[in-house]
Amino acid sequence: DQQVKQNSPSLSVQEGRISILNCDYTNSMFDYFLWYKKYPAEGPTFLISISSIKDKNEDGRFTVFLNKSAKHLSLHIVPSQPGDSAVYFCAARFQGGSEKLVFGKGTKLTVNP
Amino acid sequence: DADVTQTPRNRITKTGKRIMLECSQTKGHDRMYWYRQDPGLGLRLIYYSFDVKDINKGEISDGYSVSRQAQAKFSLSLESAIPNQTALYFCATSDAGQGIQETQYFGPGTRLLVL
Repeated sequence: DQQVKQNSPSLSVQEGRISILNCDYTNSMFDYFLWYKKYPAEGPTFLISISSIKDKNEDGRFTVFLNKSAKHLSLHIVPSQPGDSAVYFCAARFQGGSEKLVFGKGTKLTVNP
Repeated sequence: DADVTQTPRNRITKTGKRIMLECSQTKGHDRMYWYRQDPGLGLRLIYYSFDVKDINKGEISDGYSVSRQAQAKFSLSLESAIPNQTALYFCATSDAGQGIQETQYFGPGTRLLVL
């Protein structure tokens, strides 16, 4: 049973517009959430994270929103740039000190010039 | 220079062969991980190590073994490779000292094809 779900395999947006990537989780024991970006032939790179005690974290063009009651988080990219085209993975970590991450399947974002 | 390196970057092997994938890091992190990624799937944890004497199985450890030779080195072995182990393999590290904000840093990956 998948505990972290990214239901959209792909997303296409125009340059300059907003990209919204969604992630749902099922386990209420997750206490920390991360987004990773992956380009072809490279490893995933950390993008932004949020603790379960917050509902928003912002870093430049990237904002992550967390809705604990809905077990839903989203990554907003504003404005989107062609260089943002990549696969984005949502990941979650359990409470209690375990540092294991559970990853979603990823969403491929394409930003068109 | 990259903080987390993996060798080889690409490998083709035959069913039944033993192979080793190596990971080295210069970040000084105590925690290291091995993941595999299959097309259309997220990363799945194979093994992880919180220090040299601590090795733990992950979600999909069957058919794999690991060795933590030093703080900076963590190797993954396929004792007898089979075709469904064809995948992209990633090593990652993390620093427990970051506390709740601990994040994992990934190597560039090893693409393995088992014929």
